[in-house]
Amino acid sequence: GIQVEQSPPDLILQEGANSTLRCNFSDSVNNLQWFHQNPWGQLINLFYIPSGTKQNGRLSATTVATERYSLLYISSSQTTDSGVYFCAVENFGNEKLTFGTGTRLTIIP
Amino acid sequence: ETGVTQTPRHLVMGMTNKKSLKCEQHLGHNAMYWYKQSAKKPLELMFVYNFKEQTENNSVPSRFSPECPNSSHLFLHLHTLQPEDSALYLCASSHQGAETQYFGPGTRLLVL
Repeated sequence: GIQVEQSPPDLILQEGANSTLRCNFSDSVNNLQWFHQNPWGQLINLFYIPSGTKQNGRLSATTVATERYSLLYISSSQTTDSGVYFCAVENFGNEKLTFGTGTRLTIIP
Repeated sequence: ETGVTQTPRHLVMGMTNKKSLKCEQHLGHNAMYWYKQSAKKPLELMFVYNFKEQTENNSVPSRFSPECPNSSHLFLHLHTLQPEDSALYLCASSHQGAETQYFGPGTRLLVL
């Protein structure tokens, strides 16, 4: 099956800093999503982005499908950004999401 | 986000117990999913239901038994579980073939 790798596994930043999270995948995809899981376990969908660039407030994401990677940018980090960020992909002919192992982000006041 | 609810939020059970997890979605979706999230491992898809029909069983042991009586409700019946089944169980829903899935808050299960 498709492999999804995320880096870095852990990231600790001061409030106000910017960060870039990376997701690499091993095959062509027709669906790529970024999720944030808060410390209580709730998963929130951030972006649906199988290709191109999207922005939502302080967050933006870019997927370069031909090179099989996606980046999530967080600017001016806040403590509420802490949690685990997951990338999940779905490849052609396989209607199920495969999740990466996540990046645990900790924002220190 | 209250579109997908799960009960109970926490559950402790012995290996001989029988319990059920419940998921309800209020979003008008027709597809529902069960995922398992164990420590240090990626989310694993367990079951998928489209229009109340099970379309995916990801090699899940028979001690986990799903039930989908209608497109708004999904259950996961548990019996004779093992300690390694302790995990966060997440329910999600979507329109079939849709771009995004919406997740519930999860049930944190501990098997003693």
